[in-house]
Amino acid sequence: QVQLVESGGGVVQPGRSLRLSCAASGFTFGSHAMHWVRQAPVKGLEWLAIISYDGSQRYYADSVRGRFTISRDNSKNTVFLQLNSLRDEDTAVYYCVRGGASVDDYWGQGTLVTVSS
Amino acid sequence: DIVMTQSPDSLAVSLGERATINCKSSQNVLSKSNNKNYLAWYQQKPGQPPKVLIYWASTRESGVPDRFSGSGSGTDFTLTISSLQAEDVAVYYCQQHYTTQRTFGQGTKLEIK
Repeated sequence: QVQLVESGGGVVQPGRSLRLSCAASGFTFGSHAMHWVRQAPVKGLEWLAIISYDGSQRYYADSVRGRFTISRDNSKNTVFLQLNSLRDEDTAVYYCVRGGASVDDYWGQGTLVTVSS
Repeated sequence: DIVMTQSPDSLAVSLGERATINCKSSQNVLSKSNNKNYLAWYQQKPGQPPKVLIYWASTRESGVPDRFSGSGSGTDFTLTISSLQAEDVAVYYCQQHYTTQRTFGQGTKLEIK
């Protein structure tokens, strides 16, 4: 069965960096684009970034472009999100999501990032 | 970016009654090449990640009960729950995947009246 397991969240001070990982299993990872989506406390969903199946193309939301970087390692079935220059408003649960031809279908359970001094 | 606007923000419906949630996109999400609307609906229950219910605006994901249906085309879409069950209490989101940069509606909280 498809599984996506995020890790790397935690408490970090404003201005610092964090690297999130998402380990995938149960499907051919190298055939799918992957997304990161976040959800601030008691808020809605915010799409952040997508990386193509082979890592050659990356796109970002305006709110994080230049601060966040998505990458992947197909040999390890893992997608990453590097978060730099973190701000209070980056506090959220971060989800990785499998991209599909018809719909972005599987979501991980998420990892919580708290930005606080 | 395509802006997705849902209405209402919250909704209370009696058990067994119909629930209707609307979603409007700021741009057309109907592809002329394949005549498909790049619009999905997700359900999120407390403490859980979202789960896809509907894609291509009206295609139910495998395993989703048939009381859930989607309709609409172009810029205006609707999610309908024909007979509300207690387990349908959740927040519902529409999402466009017409563009590489996805966008979600703000969510509609569905409760039991």
